[in-house]
Amino acid sequence: KQEVTQIPAALSVPEGENLVLNCSFTDSAIYNLQWFRQDPGKGLTSLLLIQSSQREQTSGRLNASLDKSSGRSTLYIAASQPGDSATYLCAVKGGFQKLVFGTGTRLLVSP
Amino acid sequence: EPEVTQTPSHQVTQMGQEVILRCVPISNHLYFYWYRQILGQKVEFLVSFYNNEISEKSEIFDDQFSVERPDGSNFTLKIRSTKLEDSAMYFCASSEFSRAGRDTQYFGPGTRLTVL
Repeated sequence: KQEVTQIPAALSVPEGENLVLNCSFTDSAIYNLQWFRQDPGKGLTSLLLIQSSQREQTSGRLNASLDKSSGRSTLYIAASQPGDSATYLCAVKGGFQKLVFGTGTRLLVSP
Repeated sequence: EPEVTQTPSHQVTQMGQEVILRCVPISNHLYFYWYRQILGQKVEFLVSFYNNEISEKSEIFDDQFSVERPDGSNFTLKIRSTKLEDSAMYFCASSEFSRAGRDTQYFGPGTRLTVL
């Protein structure tokens, strides 16, 4: 059964710092991995999707990498801003259609 | 930009009552999903739907749950007899395809279901 873990559970940084969020999964037989952002009481906003054949994806200040064989992904946020404060979720898609989510990393960027 | 919409945003019901949660997926998408998130817990998959039938479901999705695409735009989740433990945020999602390629799942804002 696929298990997804995210470390750290919470992170507090001053504005302008570069930071890395980690995601690990137990079963490397995945089709893709998706990173989401969740604001309190709100839905999930898709940030990046990495196919299993890819090593990384970039969107603006965000860069996600995938090492499928070791069961790891990282989300790199450059020059963090207070507006980046949210919970970041990673989710992997395995055998069929469902996404299996991690517990999330709660990020607070202070001005 | 197209988005998934859900109604209502918040539903309060009494235990044992039936509820229907509604979603309008992105118009050219073919795959539809329901997930839920109990407060403080992970987002959990419930069911996926393609070509007017369930294509995958989790062990949570028992006989109390059903899904339907009653017309060309809506996708609904029905809970027949709600329990206290059904209280959660329910998210609808849709994707253009299921496998490699354009299979990003786009999520709606959620319906917060409170069972009293």
